[in-house]
Amino acid sequence: DAMVIQNPRYQVTQFGKPVTLSCSQTLNHNVMYWYQQKSSQAPKLLFHYYDKDFNNEADTPDNFQSRRPNTSFCFLDIRSPGLGDAAMYLCATSTTRQYQETQYFGPGTRLLVL
Amino acid sequence: TQLLEQSPQFLSIQEGENLTVYCNSSSVFSSLQWYRQEPGEGPVLLVTVVTGGEVKKLKRLTFQFGDARKDSSLHITAAQPGDTGLYLCAGDPADSWGKLQFGAGTQVVVTP
Repeated sequence: DAMVIQNPRYQVTQFGKPVTLSCSQTLNHNVMYWYQQKSSQAPKLLFHYYDKDFNNEADTPDNFQSRRPNTSFCFLDIRSPGLGDAAMYLCATSTTRQYQETQYFGPGTRLLVL
Repeated sequence: TQLLEQSPQFLSIQEGENLTVYCNSSSVFSSLQWYRQEPGEGPVLLVTVVTGGEVKKLKRLTFQFGDARKDSSLHITAAQPGDTGLYLCAGDPADSWGKLQFGAGTQVVVTP
């Protein structure tokens, strides 16, 4: 049974055209994360929500925004995608923000910018 | 920012051979997690190690956490094609809440 679901799995957008990626979870976890992973690189944390509390990483570009309308859903909005934003975007969840907490990842959305 | 360095970056072996992947840092971690990521999929947690010197076994996979909790290794015995994937280590820093720091991964290819 899918626990962290990401839609779409593949997204093609044009340079500068806003795009929204979706993540939903059936785990009822408090924390939801968005990571960016480029080829042959480590996943890079963009931001996370602890319940309704939004936490942005210092080096996340302003071009990236997020919304969490309820516990189950979280969205990643890229306002004006550039060629450098082409990557795999991973959503993850965890129960809390405790040490040794397991993060459960979705399958990812691969974004292509033309 | 604590950096986790994984080596080697790429490893290609024949079925039945053994392999070891390393994850090193100059920083201390309260725990370290190993994930496997298959093409087009998200990372899947394999194991979490939390105690310095700890050894955990998962079938043919053996995970070890360094005594000083700065490094870890993953050893696969008698590798199979199903072991092919990107192996990521992720550290839980000792001085902050559970924000994982990921290594860049080791791509393992096991050919029949």
